[in-house]
Amino acid sequence: QVQLQESGPGLVKPSQTLSLTCTVSGGSISSGGYYWSWIRQHPGKGLEWIGYIYYSGSTYYNPSLKSRVTISVDTSKNQFSLKLSSVTAADTAVYYCARDAGRLRGFDYWGQGTLVTVSS
Amino acid sequence: QTVVTQEPSLTVSPGGTVTLTCASSTGAVTSGYYPNWFQQKPGQAPRALIYSTSNKHSWTPARFSGSLLGGKAALTLSGVQPEDEAEYYCLLYYGGAVVFGGGTKLTVL
Repeated sequence: QVQLQESGPGLVKPSQTLSLTCTVSGGSISSGGYYWSWIRQHPGKGLEWIGYIYYSGSTYYNPSLKSRVTISVDTSKNQFSLKLSSVTAADTAVYYCARDAGRLRGFDYWGQGTLVTVSS
Repeated sequence: QTVVTQEPSLTVSPGGTVTLTCASSTGAVTSGYYPNWFQQKPGQAPRALIYSTSNKHSWTPARFSGSLLGGKAALTLSGVQPEDEAEYYCLLYYGGAVVFGGGTKLTVL
């Protein structure tokens, strides 16, 4: 059973960089075949895809966030990470990590989510 | 900017059948968009239900089914249970990107 767990600060100051890590257990990021993704959900709103990383390090980002987003992977720790720069209150959201098994098999496993509040 | 549109809300009686749809601003939704469907209950993470239009995950109850209907992706719940009250999101693949629909709040009443 694959499990994903987000971790990181719950409070970030405006203009700073939001940093989160997703730890994967029950499966190896290095095994390939999966796109390790970040999704966020503003309070009371819908889901917004942020981007993904493949185990090789290749990435794809939501064009609306691309200038501020970096997703990286550490296969030795079986983790992948999200950095979102120059945050504002509009970046306050629950951030989820999830596994995308590709178009033919879709998204399957999600983390429980972590609330990040941007406030001074 | 690609927009994926769902019904904002629907109401169904217990034991009834309801169909939720997912439309794309780019035109008809086909199997090539590999539609996914997710269920989200308050305070919980989304749970995957359907992938690649109509395929169920091992944990997906049999009463949930996915299809294409009139140029849209569709999720049908047959024999609705009270515990099916939730927000439902679709997802479409556009090239390398992914876009979620705005969600449908399903009330079982």
